[in-house]
Amino acid sequence: RKEVEQDPGPFNVPEGATVAFNCTYSNSASQSFFWYRQDCRKEPKLLMSVYSSGNEDGRFTAQLNRASQYISLLIRDSKLSDSATYLCVVMILTGGGNKLTFGTGTQLKVEL
Amino acid sequence: DAGITQSPRHKVTETGTPVTLRCHQTENHRYMYWYRQDPGHGLRLIHYSYGVKDTDKGEVSDGYSVSRSKTEDFLLTLESATSSQTSVYFCAITSDGSSYNEQFFGPGTRLTVL
Repeated sequence: RKEVEQDPGPFNVPEGATVAFNCTYSNSASQSFFWYRQDCRKEPKLLMSVYSSGNEDGRFTAQLNRASQYISLLIRDSKLSDSATYLCVVMILTGGGNKLTFGTGTQLKVEL
Repeated sequence: DAGITQSPRHKVTETGTPVTLRCHQTENHRYMYWYRQDPGHGLRLIHYSYGVKDTDKGEVSDGYSVSRSKTEDFLLTLESATSSQTSVYFCAITSDGSSYNEQFFGPGTRLTVL
């Protein structure tokens, strides 16, 4: 079983739609959680950190369920520019720094 | 912008040749990381550094070495490149003082080993 699992998609949605991505993680010692966005042939860019109580940043809402080891990302009013791959990332703090484990990503295509 | 640059951005080399990739940062971050990204895999950690001359292995370190002689530079060396090392390589830093220890990535180096 992968440490971080995501549905690879692609999710094809019309502009203006609401879309949700889910992610599960296997290591209960994971301490921090993130969503990154990666455009084709570009570096991953931090979209948002996921707080224990859930958090919202504009059209984006992230939720964490530690009991179920589950993270979600909701995108409202999708824009063409939201088309990208969304990476779920979990972190464990170690003595030598933080260890990130990446999911393989969920591809989103927003269409006219 | 985390002030990270990588060089070269693209490289094609032949099996058996040595290759060195450079990561340069301008903001004196203590922690630096090298990852590789391949289809079907998430980014995987190769090596990381927690200070000048302080480095440690990640999950896919075989065939790679690193050096950090200055805070701003973290070098990744493939002593004898193999086709399995064809990949996209990303350098990353942790923003010092960040409560969530987010990592920020450089633009990547696309390496092809023929």
